[in-house]
Amino acid sequence: EVQLVESGGGLVKPGGSLRLSCAASGFTFNTYSINWVRQAPGKGLDWVASISSSSTFIFYADSVKGRFTISRDNAKNSLSLEMNSLRVEDTAVYYCARAVDGDFFDYWGQGTLVTVSS
Amino acid sequence: SYVLTQPPSVSVAPGETARITCGGNNIGGKSVYWYQQKPGQAPVLVIYYDSDRPSGIPARFSGSNSGNTATLIISRVEAGDEADYYCHVWDSSSDHVVFGGGTKLTVL
Repeated sequence: EVQLVESGGGLVKPGGSLRLSCAASGFTFNTYSINWVRQAPGKGLDWVASISSSSTFIFYADSVKGRFTISRDNAKNSLSLEMNSLRVEDTAVYYCARAVDGDFFDYWGQGTLVTVSS
Repeated sequence: SYVLTQPPSVSVAPGETARITCGGNNIGGKSVYWYQQKPGQAPVLVIYYDSDRPSGIPARFSGSNSGNTATLIISRVEAGDEADYYCHVWDSSSDHVVFGGGTKLTVL
């Protein structure tokens, strides 16, 4: 069974940092691109970042470029999102999602909540 | 940057057909994906490559894409279809994933 489990969310002050993790199981992790997608409370889906299967291609939304870093460890079947210089508007549930052929997202985790507030 | 436009809400009676649109400049030249999200849950893929259905998704869900509009069609709508629906494309000019703003489907 394919599973994606996010962790690392919590409360952080503006300007602070947080590292999210996504543990994958039930599939050959090193053959899939993985994405981070967030959803602010009561709002729509907002793509954050994407990393290809071998980390060759990495893309970021303009709103997080230069502040967030996506990475993966294929030996540990894990994905990370390092978030720095956090802003109030980064408050959201953060999902990791598996991409088929780098296209659509066929499996999503349950999400982890990040709250940026003073 | 590429923009996808969805109506904020669509209402339909049980048993009727719901059509949720996703507008974008020449979206017919892109592959469109659709997700269903119920409150408190992660999104679920319901349509990929414009009109293909993942296993487990009822045949009542279908999709089309042409010109400047992609459409998610839900036939014989049931109360359990009430949810938010999002369209998604890949914008190759910016190397960005783009989501529509979402449409809340209400079953009357």
